[in-house]
This record gives sequence, C-alpha cells and structure tokens, in this order.
Amino acid sequence: AQSVTQLGSHVSVSEGALVLLRCNYSSSVPPYLFWYVQYPNQGLQLLLKYTSAATLVKGINGFEAEFKKSETSFHLTKPSAHMSDAAEYFCAVSEDTGFQKLVFGTGTRLLVSP
Amino acid sequence: EPEVTQTPSHQVTQMGQEVILRCVPISNHLYFYWYRQILGQKVEFLVSFYNNEISEKSEIFDDQFSVERPDGSNFTLKIRSTKLEDSAMYFCASSTRKGDGGTDTQYFGPGTRLTVL
Repeated sequence: AQSVTQLGSHVSVSEGALVLLRCNYSSSVPPYLFWYVQYPNQGLQLLLKYTSAATLVKGINGFEAEFKKSETSFHLTKPSAHMSDAAEYFCAVSEDTGFQKLVFGTGTRLLVSP
Repeated sequence: EPEVTQTPSHQVTQMGQEVILRCVPISNHLYFYWYRQILGQKVEFLVSFYNNEISEKSEIFDDQFSVERPDGSNFTLKIRSTKLEDSAMYFCASSTRKGDGGTDTQYFGPGTRLTVL
C-alpha cells in the first residue's frame, strides 16, 4: 500500500529564506508524486507533479521538487520565501493503476514571517 | 480558467439526516472523485467514478454513502443518515482521461464543510 510521510506539521521561515518541506513516500510500484497547496478557505491547488519524465520538477510560484528514488523522497523547495507562500502544503502519491486515487500526507503548514 | 465548483460551501445538519453535496466538475473531464478531510487530519480518498459507475472506493465509503452523476454536469455525494463523525470538509475533484506516459492532474473544488450536530 502507498503512503506518504511529511515531517513537520509546521515550518516557520523568514521572508526571503529558503523553504524546505519534506516528503517521504512508500510505494510498491514506481509512484506518481504530487505537491498540492491549500490556502485558507480554498481547495487544493496543484503545485507540481512527478511522473517519471524528469527527477527535478519545477512548479508554479517558484517551487520545485526533486525525486530521489534511493531516499524515497520528494522534498519541496523554494529559494526565497514570500509572505504569500503561507499556506498548508500536502504531498500525495498515486500509482498508475487505473483510477489514480491520491494518498495524501498529513500536511505541513508553512508560516512566513517578515 | 475552468474550475471545479461545489455547493453548498457549508452545510449544517442534524445527526440521522440525509445530505447531498453537489459538485460541478470541469466540463471535459471524465474521472470524478470525492475526498474528505476531518479537521486536523489528512485528506482521505472516498471514491472514484468513471463511465457512470464507481471504479474504486475506500473502506470509509460504506453503505451510507452513494454517488451519482444525475445529468451531464453535476456529480453528487449523498450521505443517507449522517453521523457526528461525518463532520468534515468534503472535496470533489476531476481529471481528464489518463494520458500516455503519465497521470492526469486532479483538479479540486473549494470543498463543502459539513457539520453534523
């Protein structure tokens, strides 16, 4: 069965600092991996996804993530945090088995201080 | 940009009552999903729907739950007799047909917050 572990329920950074949100996955088959962001009172918005085309994936709003099979990781990074990045971030995994249900991690709330 | 919409945004109901949560997926999408998020917990898959039938469901999706696509645009989740533990944010999602060599993005709606009293 697939699973995702997100280390740190809360991450605090200063504006302009590096953002690093951690995600480790478990999957019996090559996975598809996703990062979604949830702003207050809004739905889930896709930031980026890994589908085996390239291990370094660039997404929206300056975010990127690197798939490392040896570490079973898919950490999300952004070189310089902006106040508007404050949100909840969810890592998710799916398997290419028909209907692609997403299995989510518990989420990491990113706090950005001035 | 096309988006998934959900109504109502907030539903309050009494325990034992039936509720119907409504979703309008993106118009050319063929796969439909419901997820839920209990306050403070992770987003959980409930059910996927394709070609007018359930393709997969989780153990959460018991006989009290049903889904339907009553017309060409709406996708509904019905809970027949709500329980206190059904209180959660319910998200609808949709995606296009899976493409070659990859997986299609699931686009999520803003959610319906269900409160069962």
